[in-house]
Amino acid sequence: SQQGEEDPQALSIQEGENATMNCSYKTSINNLQWYRQNSGRGLVHLILIRSNEREKHSGRLRVTLDTSKKSSSLLITASRAADTASYFCATDATGSARQLTFGSGTQLTVLP
Amino acid sequence: DAGVTQSPTHLIKTRGQHVTLRCSPISGHKSVSWYQQVLGQGPQFIFQYYEKEERGRGNFPDRFSARQFPNYSSELNVNALLLGDSALYLCASSPQKQASYGYTFGSGTRLTVV
Repeated sequence: SQQGEEDPQALSIQEGENATMNCSYKTSINNLQWYRQNSGRGLVHLILIRSNEREKHSGRLRVTLDTSKKSSSLLITASRAADTASYFCATDATGSARQLTFGSGTQLTVLP
Repeated sequence: DAGVTQSPTHLIKTRGQHVTLRCSPISGHKSVSWYQQVLGQGPQFIFQYYEKEERGRGNFPDRFSARQFPNYSSELNVNALLLGDSALYLCASSPQKQASYGYTFGSGTRLTVV
């Protein structure tokens, strides 16, 4: 079963705009990770935020984590057509450090 | 450096048949995990192997099995295939057994059961 849900399920924006995706999860976690997937291919690791961190940046990516609300957000600034992909959050749950539990994903389309 | 390699890339099998999928992790990575991704959903954990031992198993039937070899490559075997086994099978490698540092995924094997 999925650990949580991404919101929205689909997002369409113009190039240059910012894209925000949200993720909710259900259990206590060690860390939360975001992955990107192009057209049903392999996943690419984007960023990892640990449970004791509240915000993290990597290039045009900004991730926040609110453990009290069991939620995270991924912000992609100044989006490009090449950012078009599915984005998944994945949790490394406390007591279950052998696996990642993925959400259902957000399909982002960036229009040129 | 080669990334995580999976073979074959595509496969079509008939219900009831058996399939073997293969994965070679990044050099130096001792952990291999297998995930199943059904169309339109996120990946679901099947197995993790570390140092040739099973370290974790997801909620999959006994028809699914795996092993890891001395060179840390891995095979996923599925017996008595069902239509519902049609999915993208992803292999992920990491240097440690914990999921604490992010995984590197292969491009996957697309299995279609007819």
